[in-house]
Order: sequence, then C-alpha cells, then structure tokens
Amino acid sequence: GQQVQQSPASLVLQEGENAELQCNFSSTATQLQWFYQSPGGSLVSLLSNPSGTKHTGRLTSTTVTKERRSSLHISSSQTTDSGTYLCAPPGALLSGSFNKLTFGAGTRLAVCP
Amino acid sequence: EAAVTQSPRNKVTVTGGNVTLSCRQTNSHNYMYWYRQDTGHGLRLIHYSYGAGNLQIGDVPDGYKATRTTQEDFFLLLELASPSQTSLYFCASRGDWGSAETLYFGSGTRLTVL
Repeated sequence: GQQVQQSPASLVLQEGENAELQCNFSSTATQLQWFYQSPGGSLVSLLSNPSGTKHTGRLTSTTVTKERRSSLHISSSQTTDSGTYLCAPPGALLSGSFNKLTFGAGTRLAVCP
Repeated sequence: EAAVTQSPRNKVTVTGGNVTLSCRQTNSHNYMYWYRQDTGHGLRLIHYSYGAGNLQIGDVPDGYKATRTTQEDFFLLLELASPSQTSLYFCASRGDWGSAETLYFGSGTRLTVL
C-alpha cells in the first residue's frame, strides 16, 4: 500500500519566517491533498495538488508526481498557523486502493510571536 | 459548507465493553471513512464505504466492525473493546473523485477504554 513520509517531524519558527514542509510517498498518486489539524484537533483541507504548483493565500504547494514528492510552503508565518500539517495521497489508480487516502504522520509547526 | 457530525464527543468504557460511534453527513457524499489517530501514527484508516450497505476494509480493521445504514449514516462498532483501542476517532466524507474533491472531517470522538 501507499507509504507516506513527512519531514521535518516538527518545526519552530519566529513569526514572519517561512516554512517548507515535505511529503514523500511510495506510489504514484493523483489528487494529493494537504490538511491542517488545529491544536484543538479539528481537521480541514488546505488544498489539493496532484501535480505542478498551486497557490492559495500564503500557501504554495509543489508536487512532482514522477519523483513522488510534494512540498508545502508557508510564507510569512503567523502564530495562528501553529498546528499539524498532514499530507495524504490516495493509493495508486490501478491498485484497487484509489479511494483510500493514506496520511503521513504530519509536521508539527509552532510559530512563536 | 459540508457537514459531518460525530457522536459522542467523548466516551469512556471498560475492557470488554460494547461501543458504537456514530457519524452523519449531510453532504450527499458517496464515500465515508473511519480513521483513528494516535501519537506517532497519524491518521490510520479503519473502514470505509461508498454507499449504503457497502463496506470496504481499511488498513487497521482488526477489532472493528462498521455499518453504513443509509447514505448519511456510518457507524463504527467495537464489540469487545480493549485498551489498545483508546484513541481519537475521526469520521470523514467526500464525493466521487472529480475536480479535486476533498475530505470533510467530523470533530472527532475521543474514546478511552479502561
């Protein structure tokens, strides 16, 4: 099945600094998604990026499908960005697991004022 | 805004107890999922379903049953709860893959098995 590795495991920034989060996965994936989990536990989708570069607000995601990796760049970090960032590629299209999203363990981000 | 509601929010039971976690979505989504989240493991898929009466096995199904009674309702059943099932459980729903269809999560159920 799909294996997902995220790095770094944790990251501490000063407000205003940029963050670069990495996601590597074992099987070719489409519709790779990034999620944010708040310190309180709620989970929300940030964006979906199957390939190429996608922007939303201060977030930029770049996915290189052939190399099975994706990154999430957070610019000008704010204290409210603190939380855990999870990437989730689905299984390979022909594997029968396409509808299963496998989550990485996440990157825990702390932004200090 | 898509809505997924889980109940209860918190549950405490004893080893060997019977527990049912409930999930309802009002998004008219075909797919529904049950995940558990433990420190160091991230979210792990227990079971999922693509419609009423359908059940698909996830990655960590042992000790869990699930049933999708309607398009809206998906239940997770622990018939003989064990301390290893102490965890934070999330339900999620999504439509069919199309234009970047995403997962919508419930608020989670924290289960403690004593």
